[in-house]
Amino acid sequence: KNQVEQSPQSLIILEGKNCTLQCNYTVSPFSNLRWYKQDTGRGPVSLTIMTFSENTKSNGRYTATLDADTKQSSLHITASQLSDSASYICVVSALPASGGSYIPTFGRGTSLIVHP
Amino acid sequence: GAVVSQHPSWVICKSGTSVKIECRSLDFQATTMFWYRQFPKQSLMLMATSNEGSKATYEQGVEKDKFLINHASLTLSTLTVTSAHPEDSSFYICSARTGVLFSTDTQYFGPGTRLTVL
Repeated sequence: KNQVEQSPQSLIILEGKNCTLQCNYTVSPFSNLRWYKQDTGRGPVSLTIMTFSENTKSNGRYTATLDADTKQSSLHITASQLSDSASYICVVSALPASGGSYIPTFGRGTSLIVHP
Repeated sequence: GAVVSQHPSWVICKSGTSVKIECRSLDFQATTMFWYRQFPKQSLMLMATSNEGSKATYEQGVEKDKFLINHASLTLSTLTVTSAHPEDSSFYICSARTGVLFSTDTQYFGPGTRLTVL
């Protein structure tokens, strides 16, 4: 069964500090991994997407890493801002070898709160 | 580009009534749209996948007669919650996939609709 586990479940940091969120997955056959940011009461917004051959991808203050061997990914946020307070969701997609559409598996998300 | 809208943003209804939620891709054609449900502090749960012009494919445990999905055009999908009950209260999010099937996995999410059933 495909699974995506995220840690920590919640995190509180002070404004200006850095933090790292973790995502472990057992999804096969692996196609890509995305990190989304979801503000409270809003739909998710894509931050990064990585395929099997990519180790790192940056989007401003967000840097995602991928280790396809250990099936782990991390999202690093530098110089956090109050607006970074949100839920961060890791989504890993599989593309069946037999054909068909991508099958995304969602993690439960990490709730990040940035305090002034 | 790639904006997905939902209407309404929130709705409060009485138990037993039906509620329709619209999902539109504003600046692209979406051959596939997805409907998700999200409970507080939970991840998104896929309810169904709909391809334009064909019947929706429902995930296990989702009642197709209760959650009616229509994807009549490449830019519009609707979710109708029939005979809504308080346990149907949730945050409903749609997403639309752009590009040719198999060639891309880009989903663009709508802003969500908060449904409260009294």
